[in-house]
Amino acid sequence: TQLLEQSPQFLSIQEGENLTVYCNSSSVFSSLQWYRQEPGEGPVLLVTVVTGGEVKKLKRLTFQFGDARKDSSLHITAAQPGDTGLYLCAGVEAGGTSYGKLTFGQGTILTVHP
Amino acid sequence: KAGVTQTPRYLIKTRGQQVTLSCSPISGHRSVSWYQQTPGQGLQFLFEYFSETQRNKGNFPGRFSGRQFSNSRSEMNVSTLELGDSALYLCASSPQGQGIWYGYTFGSGTRLTVV
Repeated sequence: TQLLEQSPQFLSIQEGENLTVYCNSSSVFSSLQWYRQEPGEGPVLLVTVVTGGEVKKLKRLTFQFGDARKDSSLHITAAQPGDTGLYLCAGVEAGGTSYGKLTFGQGTILTVHP
Repeated sequence: KAGVTQTPRYLIKTRGQQVTLSCSPISGHRSVSWYQQTPGQGLQFLFEYFSETQRNKGNFPGRFSGRQFSNSRSEMNVSTLELGDSALYLCASSPQGQGIWYGYTFGSGTRLTVV
């Protein structure tokens, strides 16, 4: 069982549509991070959320951390073909030994058609 | 400033051989983590080094090992390669203790193919 359940796994939409990706867990996280990865490259950090209920905006992207710090969402407004890629949520578990350890969701492959 | 550099980018090895991958973190970053990425399992944590000490380890067999040098550069080694070790190996760096709050910078990875 994945510690972080990310949904949907695949998303194929038209340019201009809105979309939301979800990341859920039964565990509490010190922080939740979102990355975007292009084929053959490493993930690139989009945002880190650390406070329950926190909302961060990055241009057309809105990130939210759940009040209980167990879930997060990524909302994209008016998607563009340049948004195409693999979106990954990753968390640092609260408590215990979490040095340098990110737990990743399975990822969402987003395709935006012109 | 230069990003995280991983070498080599591509590697083809035969079953039973061993391999060493290298990671140079961003200047000033002392924490280096390694991940394995496969289509079936996604990104899985291998281990983390800070100031030449392994502070955390994932659930991988002992064939996977690593080390960090005094200049923060890190290497990981996989011995007795198996077909299932074929993957993209990624390293990530962060300043001291900051990755949790500010995120990590990943390299482009080493694509290892075991034949």
